[in-house]
Amino acid sequence: GENVEQHPSTLSVQEGDSAVIKCTYSDSASNYFPWYKQELGKGPQLIIDIRSNVGEKKDQRIAVTLNKTAKHFSLHITETQPEDSAVYFCAASRSSNFGNEKLTFGTGTRLTIIP
Amino acid sequence: ETGVTQSPTHLIKTRGQQVTLRCSSQSGHNTVSWYQQALGQGPQFIFQYYREEENGRGNFPPRFSGLQFPNYSSELNVNALELDDSALYLCASSPRFHYEQYFGPGTRLTVT
Repeated sequence: GENVEQHPSTLSVQEGDSAVIKCTYSDSASNYFPWYKQELGKGPQLIIDIRSNVGEKKDQRIAVTLNKTAKHFSLHITETQPEDSAVYFCAASRSSNFGNEKLTFGTGTRLTIIP
Repeated sequence: ETGVTQSPTHLIKTRGQQVTLRCSSQSGHNTVSWYQQALGQGPQFIFQYYREEENGRGNFPPRFSGLQFPNYSSELNVNALELDDSALYLCASSPRFHYEQYFGPGTRLTVT
């Protein structure tokens, strides 16, 4: 089955700097890669996703890149703000025209923004 | 538009007991997935329901079972609770033919 590895497990950056979180996956058939943000006591919140037919996607300060050949994808957060502090999870899935079944998650990155 | 809701928020059970967790999917979402998140770990897929039938299952024993109702809400049942079942149980809903899954706040289950 799919295996997703995520690095680093913890990351501290100065407010205003950029943060990068990296994930690798094992199943070459995976074609959908979402990123979730989880704040304390809350469920994961979908913040951005990418499908295998594109190499990069951007939404304001957040961007995701995908390298299918190397089987890795990354989350980039620019101009970080204190409210970006949370645990971030990457995930991978083999999706079909009917939708998405099982998401396989990484182990998470605790991001701390230092004011 | 109401998001995914789950009940109860917290639950304490004794080893060997049975528990039922509930989930109401987001409006218009007919697919519900359940995940288990142990402390400090990523969520792990338990199973998914579509049209009241199980549509995929992860590596969980049969004592984990579920239901989906005509209004797309869902239940997760766990029998013969073990200490290792202590976790945050997350429900996610999605519209059919869409990739995105949207999570509820979870139910924190503690087994003593």
